[in-house]
Amino acid sequence: KNEVEQSPQNLTAQEGEFITINCSYSVGISALHWLQQHPGGGIVSLFMLSSGKKKHGRLIATINIQEKHSSLHITASHPRDSAVYICAVRPLRSQGNLIFGKGTKLSVKP
Amino acid sequence: DTEVTQTPKHLVMGMTNKKSLKCEQHMGHRAMYWYKQKAKKPPELMFVYSYEKLSINESVPSRFSPECPNSSLLNLHLHALQPEDSALYLCASSQVSSTLNTEAFFGQGTRLTVV
Repeated sequence: KNEVEQSPQNLTAQEGEFITINCSYSVGISALHWLQQHPGGGIVSLFMLSSGKKKHGRLIATINIQEKHSSLHITASHPRDSAVYICAVRPLRSQGNLIFGKGTKLSVKP
Repeated sequence: DTEVTQTPKHLVMGMTNKKSLKCEQHMGHRAMYWYKQKAKKPPELMFVYSYEKLSINESVPSRFSPECPNSSLLNLHLHALQPEDSALYLCASSQVSSTLNTEAFFGQGTRLTVV
């Protein structure tokens, strides 16, 4: 069993739809990251969470430490949101390295 | 400056070549990381440097040789690679701390093809 599980693996949405991507993890963590990766590109950090909720523009990320679960929401989705969204956790007592989920490939159609 | 800069962006090399990947950051981060990402897979940790010292080597073959000459630079020296080493190589940096929740910054990656 992977330490970080994401769902769904693939997601197709129409422009304007509300999108939710889920992440569950099985290890103790000091932080959880939501990352965005465009095809052939590097990785951009969207959020780092250790508790509660964060909002940045149309993106919202929540985390429930007790349940070991996090969600990334995109409101009013747009084709430019099409990318792979990756959940990654920083285990307790790690050297700062991250354990990554397999990613969710999002396609937003106009 | 919140960038991690990787060069080159693309690299094609033969199995007998020697090449190096470079990574640079000027955020004062003292932890730097190399990850390897195969197509449609998540990144996998290769090496961690903490205060310019190698702190984690995830059983990476010796044909990959990391080097951290100073607190801003991280190199990955490549020699006698195999075609299966073709991948996107990502560099990242962060503050060093096991207790503080420090953000990780990633470079754009080097797309390596071994022929």
